[in-house]
Parts: sequence; structure tokens; C-alpha cells
Amino acid sequence: GAVVSQHPSRVICKSGTSVKIECRSLDFQATTMFWYRQFPKQSLMLMATSNEGSKATYEQGVEKDKFLINHASLTLSTLTVTSAHPEDSSFYICSARDLLNLGVKTYEQYFGPGTRLTVT
Amino acid sequence: AQKVTQAQTEISVVEKEDVTLDCVYETRDTTYYLFWYKQPPSGELVFLIRRNSFDEQNEISGRYSWNFQKSTSSFNFTITASQVVDSAVYFCALSADTGTASKLTFGTGTRLQVTL
Repeated sequence: GAVVSQHPSRVICKSGTSVKIECRSLDFQATTMFWYRQFPKQSLMLMATSNEGSKATYEQGVEKDKFLINHASLTLSTLTVTSAHPEDSSFYICSARDLLNLGVKTYEQYFGPGTRLTVT
Repeated sequence: AQKVTQAQTEISVVEKEDVTLDCVYETRDTTYYLFWYKQPPSGELVFLIRRNSFDEQNEISGRYSWNFQKSTSSFNFTITASQVVDSAVYFCALSADTGTASKLTFGTGTRLQVTL
């Protein structure tokens, strides 16, 4: 149980175009999903916290208009990188918390396999 | 503010050696959770352990063991008899008890290279 998928796993796009990345919780409901970015050989940096049915909360320094996050259902959150530039090339990882599995697992996040974005 | 420090950037060992990965954390919260994750070359994060701040009991799982010491704010990870498959980047992470937020703060990671 507690599987999170991401699509696509890899994407190459041209500078100036937009790219959408999907994050799905496959076998559980997630009111909260998190989006991270990881540059090569660096740590994961939280970009935003996505709550179902409400606006995402962005971390300091993350441009809201550039990284659009939508969490329309309890199993799907999307991250759209708008007008992508080469410096946006990175590994994007989402995670989700299990709404129903309270108690011991309340604070556990389940991670997706990541999406590698390359902007040319 | 929360902070996780993994001072070891890279460690290289020969197979069958024991290796300890250090993790030091900072938080003002009295209730918090500590995690270790493994990130193999494929990129996917693999959950290894979660420990809450009230449980200082050390844990062993096969070749893996964890030493949690609140007095020194450390949560170190030891791999006994390392294997080539253990080669990966290991991240220590901290999450405070902030209700629904539960944001994870990651350390910078330790790259472990196990050679034959």
C-alpha cells in the first residue's frame, strides 16, 4: 500500500514552453501533497505544500506564478512549470500523506519516483 | 527554524566494512520526527526509518541500526557488513509536530560508495 506515482518520469522541453507533472496517490487519499526540487548532487528542497481544494503554500523564494500547483482531488496534484528555462532543469519529487491512516503513520510522507525535467 | 546537518559529504568503504553516517539536527519543537531515506541512482527515495522524539530506544533492522541521542541531537545510522547494493545517497530528515503541515527538512545527504 501507500504508493505514489509521478508522470512523466522524464521530460525534455524547449525553453519558453510549459510542462505539467502529475502526482497521484494510487491506493490512499491524500489531503496534503508536497513538491520538492532536487538539483544534481544536492538535497531535496521543499517548494510548496499542496492542500486539496485550496491554494498551495509556497516556500520562500519559490515563484508562485512560475510553478503552478493544483490539487483538485484527494488523489491528484499537478505541478506546472510555466515558461520553462534551462535553470529550471531539475529532479522534481512529490510526496503525499495518508489522510486515513492516522496514529503511527500520521507524519509519514510517501514519495513518488520523481520526474527529471530537462529544458533545452 | 529546523536544520539537519550531515557533515559527511561522501564516504567510501570496502565491502563488509561497517560504516556510520552522522546526522545532527536542530529544532525548538519538543515533539518531532526523524527519518532516514536512501536514494539509489534511480532517484526514488526509499524510506528506512522514522523515530519520534519521545522514543530514544535504538533500533536494529538487519544490517541497519540507528542510534538516537537527544542529549547530543544526533540520529546516526550504521550499516554493518556493507554491501555494494548499499551504495546510494542517504538523507536524514526532520519533521516537527505541526499538525497537518509536517514539512520535512532534509540534510544535504551523504553519498556512500561501497566497493569490492
